[in-house]
Amino acid sequence: EPEVTQTPSHQVTQMGQEVILRCVPISNHLYFYWYRQILGQKVEFLVSFYNNEISEKSEIFDDQFSVERPDGSNFTLKIRSTKLEDSAMYFCASSGLKTSSSYNEQFFGPGTRLTVL
Amino acid sequence: GNSVTQMEGPVTLSEEAFLTINCTYTATGYPSLFWYVQYPGEGLQLLLKATKADDKGSNKGFEATYRKETTSFHLEKGSVQVSDSAVYFCALKSTPGGYQKVTFGIGTKLQVIP
Repeated sequence: EPEVTQTPSHQVTQMGQEVILRCVPISNHLYFYWYRQILGQKVEFLVSFYNNEISEKSEIFDDQFSVERPDGSNFTLKIRSTKLEDSAMYFCASSGLKTSSSYNEQFFGPGTRLTVL
Repeated sequence: GNSVTQMEGPVTLSEEAFLTINCTYTATGYPSLFWYVQYPGEGLQLLLKATKADDKGSNKGFEATYRKETTSFHLEKGSVQVSDSAVYFCALKSTPGGYQKVTFGIGTKLQVIP
């Protein structure tokens, strides 16, 4: 069964450093998302991406964050200058074509745990 | 805006006990409702869903009914197993659109003991 994959599973970085979290969505999906979950808190929406542009972003997704689909398979989240409060689990998700049965469902990856020291 | 409220855990049950995890929501329009499950060390998996009022979603013995009059989507299982130990998230999307964000509840940790 196709699945969303994410790398790395755990990333440790120093405050102020740039990090790139990588995701490979399901191959025929067109909509892509990033969410994050700070330990003990809700899973929060960050951004959605369609047709090579951001569809929607939350107030969390400030100028320090960017997303990119650099090729036909990867979807990345970049944090330019990490802060301590960026420590969280980051989930990538994707959803399918309007004509597909998965259109209304988002498929989530296993997450990348980001630790900022 | 949209919000989801679910009971905070942890919930500890003995094997074969009955499970209810309460979930209520606030949303405009006619949202789609979901339960996701996160097993230890894994990502979020869709457990079940319902897209309109009075729909019942079911999977792996779990059920939840979309109650518009009470804005609720409580998760139930008649007889839990140790393997059901996980964190359960209630969630909604405002509309069926493919780009619509999912709004999650805080998650309820379930621990089933033999």
